Amino acid sequence: GAVVSQHPSRVICKSGTSVKIECRSLDFQATTMFWYRQFPKKSLMLMATSNEGSKATYEQGVEKDKFLINHASLTLSTLTVTSAHPEDSSFYICSARHPSYNEQFFGPGTRLTVL
Amino acid sequence: AQSVTQLDSQVPVFEEAPVELRCNYSSSVSVYLFWYVQYPNQGLQLLLKYLSGSTLVESINGFEAEFNKSQTSFHLRKPSVHISDTAEYFCAVRFPFAGGTSYGKLTFGQGTILTVHP
Repeated sequence: GAVVSQHPSRVICKSGTSVKIECRSLDFQATTMFWYRQFPKKSLMLMATSNEGSKATYEQGVEKDKFLINHASLTLSTLTVTSAHPEDSSFYICSARHPSYNEQFFGPGTRLTVL
Repeated sequence: AQSVTQLDSQVPVFEEAPVELRCNYSSSVSVYLFWYVQYPNQGLQLLLKYLSGSTLVESINGFEAEFNKSQTSFHLRKPSVHISDTAEYFCAVRFPFAGGTSYGKLTFGQGTILTVHP
């Protein structure tokens, strides 16, 4: 099957610091990955589409300088939350589009808590 | 633009009872339809999907969903639920056509928390 991993699964950081979250497709190459944010008891909100070798496409209202996305290889995309604040605390989930199955496979998510 | 509405935020049922989780969508073009399940503190797992063909699709664990174009619905059903089905369920749609910035983007409903009681 198609497996997507995320690291770390949980992270606690101080306000003002930056946090990097990794999303990896373990057994397939993904030219496109997606980053979602999920608030408590809310649905998933697409933040950005990460394209290998090019700039990410951000959804309306998402600050690209705040949430830096890098998709340097076909198996790795990173989301960096810069100068994190308590309101950035959330559950961040990535997904990778499998080229053969024409669907997205989701990572297990990263719980970010900013103190 | 496309949107998804899950009419019930919470659905409590007793074990072995039937359940239906409702999903309606709005789109000016044809879309692909998905149901995902999320267990606590985990990512999403695909439950079933409709891309084309038969309007009734089934999952390996007994769930089924029927695409109804005239009612723009994709309700999820199970004739007899188990305790282990307790989770949050998300309905989602996406454009089927390749190309453009919209390709591959999923639009999710608000989610329905299914709680199965013994």
